[in-house]
Amino acid sequence: GIQVEQSPPDLILQEGANSTLRCNFSDSVNNLQWFHQNPWGQLINLFYIPSGTKQNGRLSATTVATERYSLLYISSSQTTDSGVYFCAVENSGYALNFGKGTSLLVTP
Amino acid sequence: DVKVTQSSRYLVKRTGEKVFLECVQDMDHENMFWYRQDPGLGLRLIYFSYDVKMKEKGDIPEGYSVSREKKERFSLILESASTNQTSMYLCASSHPLRSQETQYFGPGTRLLVL
Repeated sequence: GIQVEQSPPDLILQEGANSTLRCNFSDSVNNLQWFHQNPWGQLINLFYIPSGTKQNGRLSATTVATERYSLLYISSSQTTDSGVYFCAVENSGYALNFGKGTSLLVTP
Repeated sequence: DVKVTQSSRYLVKRTGEKVFLECVQDMDHENMFWYRQDPGLGLRLIYFSYDVKMKEKGDIPEGYSVSREKKERFSLILESASTNQTSMYLCASSHPLRSQETQYFGPGTRLLVL
């Protein structure tokens, strides 16, 4: 199946800092999503972005499908941004393949 | 507001017990999924269903079975729980036909098998 690699695996930021999370995938995709898992375990979809760029407040994402990567930008980070960020892709069928995630801690 | 609910947030069972994890969605979604999440491994797909009474094995189906008798409900069954099935279990649903479709997740069930 399609391989998904996320980097970095762990990240510690001070409040107010910016960061970039990366997702590399091994094949062309029909579907790419970014999720945030909060410290209580709830997964929330951030972006559906198989190609192009989207922005939502302090978060934005860019997928370069031809080069098989996606980036998630977090600007002016807040402590509530802490948690695990997952990239997930799909290229056939129904199911998403998830990366192992980037664990983010934002300190005051 | 979309909603996926799971029957328990925390569950403690003994080795050999039969365990039922239930998931209900109120969005009339065709697709439903069960994942398990373990530290350092991300989410791994156990089973999914694309219609009532239909099921497909995911990446790690061994030791699990599923049931989908109604569209809104998808159950994960551990026939004989083992300690290596201690994990966080996440249910999700999605609609296959709408564009820009996302998966909606339940809050998760943390299962401890002693």
